[in-house]
Amino acid sequence: DAKTTQPNSMESNEEEPVHLPCNHSTISGTDYIHWYRQLPSQGPEYVIHGLTSNVNNRMASLAIAEDRKSSTLILHRATLRDAAVYYCILDFGNEKLTFGTGTRLTIIP
Amino acid sequence: DVKVTQSSRYLVKRTGEKVFLECVQDMDHENMFWYRQDPGLGLRLIYFSYDVKMKEKGDIPEGYSVSREKKERFSLILESASTNQTSMYLCASSSLHSGAEQYFGPGTRLTVT
Repeated sequence: DAKTTQPNSMESNEEEPVHLPCNHSTISGTDYIHWYRQLPSQGPEYVIHGLTSNVNNRMASLAIAEDRKSSTLILHRATLRDAAVYYCILDFGNEKLTFGTGTRLTIIP
Repeated sequence: DVKVTQSSRYLVKRTGEKVFLECVQDMDHENMFWYRQDPGLGLRLIYFSYDVKMKEKGDIPEGYSVSREKKERFSLILESASTNQTSMYLCASSSLHSGAEQYFGPGTRLTVT
């Protein structure tokens, strides 16, 4: 199964954009790229997902490289409430998601 | 508003006890999942179910069983709890279509003493 690689932690200043990277060099053509985040003391929540094209929603944007071997989650203006662990996950189409350890994002006021 | 609820936020049980963790979703989702989350290991899938009375093993099913008698309810059973099953347990549900997002419950922190 294809795996993802993310930095263990990142810091960003409040009200600045944040770019969270993810490598998935062994992705196959039909794998969706999902992003979830987990706020302290809560279950994970869905952020965004995509297949080939860049995607935008009210929470974030997802930029997918042309070769699909990497992607970047973009938070356009970080707030303190965005401090969380962010997971980049590949969906192989069998509804199973394999969570790694994610990136712990710290927002500096 | 979509909802996945779990029967308890915190639970303390003794070694050898039979433990039931209940999960209910109100979104008419076909898929339901049980994960455990431990520091440094992320979320690991224990069991999942595509439909009523159907179940599939996840990555770490040993020591656990599940039951899905109704579409909205998915139960995780620890037949004889052990201290290494002390963990945070998370339930999730999703619809059947490809790329569907999973909705998670708040989690149950189980301590086995």
